Amino acid sequence: DQQVKQNSPSLSVQEGRISILNCDYTNSMFDYFLWYKKYPAEGPTFLISISSIKDKNEDGRFTVFLNKSAKHLSLHIVPSQPGDSAVYFCAASAWGGKLIFGQGTELSVKP
Amino acid sequence: DAGVIQSPRHEVTEMGQEVTLRCKPISGHDYLFWYRQTMMRGLELLIYFNNNVPIDDSGMPEDRFSAKMPNASFSTLKIQPSEPRDSAVYFCASSLPGYSYEQYFGPGTRLTVT
Repeated sequence: DQQVKQNSPSLSVQEGRISILNCDYTNSMFDYFLWYKKYPAEGPTFLISISSIKDKNEDGRFTVFLNKSAKHLSLHIVPSQPGDSAVYFCAASAWGGKLIFGQGTELSVKP
Repeated sequence: DAGVIQSPRHEVTEMGQEVTLRCKPISGHDYLFWYRQTMMRGLELLIYFNNNVPIDDSGMPEDRFSAKMPNASFSTLKIQPSEPRDSAVYFCASSLPGYSYEQYFGPGTRLTVT
């Protein structure tokens, strides 16, 4: 019973191009969504978030889009840089503090 | 700030032994979370505390697992007895008052039970 799904385990893009990471969820009670980034041998680090009352949030090269009717969110990275190579997790919450994570997507940005 | 501190970073133990993982949250954070990451189940929440009080332990897999937070600057996750299926990376995270979603993770403890 996976409430948050990242169907692409990996993604490879060229430096300077756009990276689009996708996430689907099943629970309509989720009211807050986040993206975390994880490098090997380190803990996840918070990247960007969005409340369910919004459909877009932007922070520099990172933009998160939320489509509530489709229960889908995406993370856009423009332009992609080699240092963006990492595993990206989406997470969702409906209970103030309790996050449900997706399985992660490994992004590889090639020079 | 040093960030969330976890110890040990690596632990190898034999089946049946007791294992204790330690966490020091960021000063001023009042939420503390314990997660486990495995290939099969991904990153899953085990338990979390608010102001040192356990709020939700529904993710704790079984009675062999226990967690405590005796004060605002220290928490432990104990497994007794340990089993090979407990092998995973265990993360501790903390967050600011009112910002429980934006959690700061420690580097994790890689546990191997043989």
